[in-house]
Amino acid sequence: TQLLEQSPQFLSIQEGENLTVYCNSSSVFSSLQWYRQEPGEGPVLLVTVVTGGEVKKLKRLTFQFGDARKDSSLHITAAQPGDTGLYLCADPRAAGNKLTFGGGTRVLVKP
Amino acid sequence: NAGVTQTPKFQVLKTGQSMTLQCAQDMNHEYMSWYRQDPGMGLRLIHYSVGAGITDQGEVPNGYNVSRSTTEDFPLRLLSAAPSQTSVYFCASTDRANEQYFGPGTRLTVT
Repeated sequence: TQLLEQSPQFLSIQEGENLTVYCNSSSVFSSLQWYRQEPGEGPVLLVTVVTGGEVKKLKRLTFQFGDARKDSSLHITAAQPGDTGLYLCADPRAAGNKLTFGGGTRVLVKP
Repeated sequence: NAGVTQTPKFQVLKTGQSMTLQCAQDMNHEYMSWYRQDPGMGLRLIHYSVGAGITDQGEVPNGYNVSRSTTEDFPLRLLSAAPSQTSVYFCASTDRANEQYFGPGTRLTVT
């Protein structure tokens, strides 16, 4: 069974600072998805990375997929309070349904 | 489109009671899933369905039943609630691009 480990578990920073969260696997990802979950809501997909070495940008968010497809990172530049939430990585092992999730990184951006 | 809807939003049960968590989607997606979310453990797959009339077990199926009589609805039944089933439950549907859309969740407490 593939394990997804996310680090750190919790991150508290001031508005304007940068942050990076990590997702590592015991085996090779087929592809990797990053989700953000706000309190009281379900997760919302941010991005899917597929190719080793791939970098995707979503405004102030930069997603990187490791060359060997066993790790990924999410970097937020100049964080804002609206970035507060739980960031989850997930491996869609099979079409449609079988997402395996990491434990998540809880990010708090203080104004 | 309403997307994925779940009812109720909150529920308190006594040990041994049964109940059904409702989930509906109006996006005509074939794939639907149920997850539970516990602190520090991300989301774990309970049951999933690849289309009307077809269901299968996920990672943590014990104590739960599902059925899929229509494309739109995918209810989750707790047969005899236990305190270990205290959790937040999310229903999701998946489009053809393998993007999962989550409902707002049901927070269940079993005393």
